[in-house]
Amino acid sequence: AQSVSQHNHHVILSEAASLELGCNYSYGGTVNLFWYVQYPGQHLQLLLKYFSGDPLVKGIKGFEAEFIKSKFSFNLRKPSVQWSDTAEYFCAVTTANAGNMLTFGGGTRLMVKP
Amino acid sequence: GAGVSQSPRYKVTKRGQDVALRCDPISGHVSLYWYRQALGQGPEFLTYFNYEAQQDKSGLPNDRFSAERPEGSISTLTIQRTEQRDSAMYRCASRPRKNTEAFFGQGTRLTVV
Repeated sequence: AQSVSQHNHHVILSEAASLELGCNYSYGGTVNLFWYVQYPGQHLQLLLKYFSGDPLVKGIKGFEAEFIKSKFSFNLRKPSVQWSDTAEYFCAVTTANAGNMLTFGGGTRLMVKP
Repeated sequence: GAGVSQSPRYKVTKRGQDVALRCDPISGHVSLYWYRQALGQGPEFLTYFNYEAQQDKSGLPNDRFSAERPEGSISTLTIQRTEQRDSAMYRCASRPRKNTEAFFGQGTRLTVV
């Protein structure tokens, strides 16, 4: 079965620091990859997605992610975080062998200090 | 509607009671998912539907949990004989088709006392 691992459970950064959150998945075939964000008290919102093509994907609010097939990774990056980026971030995957099933990682809680 | 709608937003129930959680997906979306999310955890897959067909229910914790989507639109997640460990946020999401993102509702916070 497919699975998604996010190794950083809690990250604390100061404003203007650079961010990289790790995401690895466990399926060797065709994947669709997503990063979702959950601000305090709100529902999950899509940050960015990868289906095919350019492995460097740009999303909203200055976030980007790079799909590296050989490493089964889809790490999220942002060059300079803001206090408003404080939230929980979830990586998710769908795979060809699981139809439309969407599997999430355990999440990374990011706190940005002003 | 404009987005995925879940009701009720909050539900407090006594142990042993049955509860029904409703999800109204975005109109025309093929797939509908149910997840359970404990505090500080990622969404845990419960079950999903394509149209009215339940494709996978392997994430349902036990036979007290069931879900249906009889007309391929609104879905109901039912928990019978609730237990305190069922307390969590229950989230619903829908997708228009394959190779698209999922859109989430606000969730139902269930508390079993």
